[in-house]
Amino acid sequence: DVKVTQSSRYLVKRTGEKVFLECVQDMDHENMFWYRQDPGLGLRLIYFSYDVKMKEKGDIPEGYSVSREKKERFSLILESTSTNQTSMYLCASSFWTPKIWSSYNEQFFGPGTRLTVL
Amino acid sequence: DQQVKQNSPSLSVQEGRISILNCDYTNSMFDYFLWYKKYPAEGPTFLISISSIKDKNEDGRFTVFLNKSAKHLSLHIVPSQPGDSAVYFCAASDIYNTDKLIFGTGTRLQVFP
Repeated sequence: DVKVTQSSRYLVKRTGEKVFLECVQDMDHENMFWYRQDPGLGLRLIYFSYDVKMKEKGDIPEGYSVSREKKERFSLILESTSTNQTSMYLCASSFWTPKIWSSYNEQFFGPGTRLTVL
Repeated sequence: DQQVKQNSPSLSVQEGRISILNCDYTNSMFDYFLWYKKYPAEGPTFLISISSIKDKNEDGRFTVFLNKSAKHLSLHIVPSQPGDSAVYFCAASDIYNTDKLIFGTGTRLQVFP
């Protein structure tokens, strides 16, 4: 049974504070993702990683950075929070699939972290 | 530029009736489509998928239809149950980026007794 856990369910921070969100998966997945979910905007990809120490920007990377030092762990860092980063943050993981395979790649999500920046 | 669109932000359906959730896309390179379901305070969970080489996929009460020429897919839930009340996201992946999913904006389904 795939399990993706996130370090916090709820966080309240003040503008300018640093936030560190951690995600751990136990399925030996190569890929890990960070999304934010906002009403009317759906899930938007912030960053993803397909291997240890590898990362790629998603659609909205500004104001965020990531770290992947171990395969099972993917961290999202907000160096200096702003009120527009108030959101639900979702981590996901999946296996890597070769492009020659015609297939989809199901992502497994954690429960999310509701971050409020005051 | 929203490549995957769900134009109905909410839908209300009576228990026992059919729920139809719609999704439109713009990228002709999408080859797989997925539906996810999300309850409040939980992460999304995978529901059903369809390949672009098919026009229908069924799993119990859930059926997804794909109309490639119209770049449109729909999720049918028959019969709808109160436990189906959730936010539904459609998502797509393209042939060049199998591992990345592009999500729609979501439709909140409420099934009332």
